[in-house]
Amino acid sequence: GAGVSQTPSNKVTEKGKYVELRCDPISGHTALYWYRQSLGQGPEFLIYFQGTGAADDSGLPNDRFFAVRPEGSVSTLKIQRTERGDSAVYLCASSPQGGPRETQYFGPGTRLLVL
Amino acid sequence: SQQGEEDPQALSIQEGENATMNCSYKTSINNLQWYRQNSGRGLVHLILIRSNEREKHSGRLRVTLDTSKKSSSLLITASRAADTASYFCATEQSGGYNKLIFGAGTRLAVHP
Repeated sequence: GAGVSQTPSNKVTEKGKYVELRCDPISGHTALYWYRQSLGQGPEFLIYFQGTGAADDSGLPNDRFFAVRPEGSVSTLKIQRTERGDSAVYLCASSPQGGPRETQYFGPGTRLLVL
Repeated sequence: SQQGEEDPQALSIQEGENATMNCSYKTSINNLQWYRQNSGRGLVHLILIRSNEREKHSGRLRVTLDTSKKSSSLLITASRAADTASYFCATEQSGGYNKLIFGAGTRLAVHP
């Protein structure tokens, strides 16, 4: 079946602009995660959704970052007033129910470059 | 912040040799998982080992877990050029958290 998809694959924007990154999880998965990966580093957790609600947003770096999942499937990560330090690969993952010991299935990521 | 640390940071071997990567972490965990990443894009899940397990096998992969030392190792036997990738360990902390805490990864290069 179809895996996790993310759009766009690449996004180049200018400092100060607003961007939206989209994630389509595996159909039927109730849990959705966003991670951010800087060059040469491992992914860092940003936010976790269980259904429509953000169950854990402790990884969002500041209030310029916001994510929604209004219908419990597709999620959008929104970044306001982008800064050069926001440049990274943004990864989305989903899992069936969000329970412990579940495998998380990752999408290919969106590479964001802020000039 | 990242919980795990992998070592070595980079590993270069010849095809047919075994590759061993180690991971250390800091807090109690529910499980530890290993992921593979090609060219800095999507991660592929390789294997999950629960906190009450000590060793697990999957094909050419062997994972060990020592919770007393808070460490794990991933062994890839009879490596192939196609195994060239970055490998990350990720821990799920005890207490019901669902987020994964990744290490910085080991970059493996397998030469034909």
